[in-house]
Amino acid sequence: DIQMTQSPSSLSASVGDRVTITCRASQSISNYLNWYQQKLGKAPKFLIYAASSLQSGVPSRFSGSGSGTDFTLTISSLQPEDFATYYCQQSYNTPYTFGQGTKLEIK
Amino acid sequence: QLQLQESGPGLVKPSETLSLTCAVSGGSISSSSYCWGWIRQPPGKVLEWIGDIYYSGSTYYNPSLKSRVTISVDASKNQFSLKLSSVTAADTAVYYCTRRAYNSRWYWFDPWGQGTLVTVSS
Repeated sequence: DIQMTQSPSSLSASVGDRVTITCRASQSISNYLNWYQQKLGKAPKFLIYAASSLQSGVPSRFSGSGSGTDFTLTISSLQPEDFATYYCQQSYNTPYTFGQGTKLEIK
Repeated sequence: QLQLQESGPGLVKPSETLSLTCAVSGGSISSSSYCWGWIRQPPGKVLEWIGDIYYSGSTYYNPSLKSRVTISVDASKNQFSLKLSSVTAADTAVYYCTRRAYNSRWYWFDPWGQGTLVTVSS
């Protein structure tokens, strides 16, 4: 199985900050990388596919980049509704696997 | 707007079979563009893909669970189901039903149901 490792596990930031979350795959996955946002007690919400393609309706302050084994999710200017846990997920092969999550908290 | 809703027992005894159903509304489960499946999240742990099923009946399972998992579709009711046999406490998790969509070569999970907590305990 492909292991996905996110860093940091948690992050404190303020409204308006620019934040970056990193996801590393245990082997090359080209750009078969998705990002999700999960708020407490809610289902994950799909944000980005193919490492950098924004799902329709996702604010443009979210962006993704990377290829191979290293990927990033960047939020350019944090809004109050962005405080949540973010997960990466590889769709390169089955079994599809997720990172352990990065919890973004208000400073 | 497509919506998914899980249903089923919240408590299952060890060694028994966990059974969940996902009702699909706002779209047809028979669409040729999607798979329908399940993902779980044990308390405080990582999301785990269980498997999914294409509308034609082809199934794709996580090898770690394959011997115990069955996913099926009931197109007449626009719903699909999960059965997980011989459960143990390690199967305690929030279970989400989801659609696996794709664009050319890329797959993703969207939308998700609200999730249902299943506890395995005697």
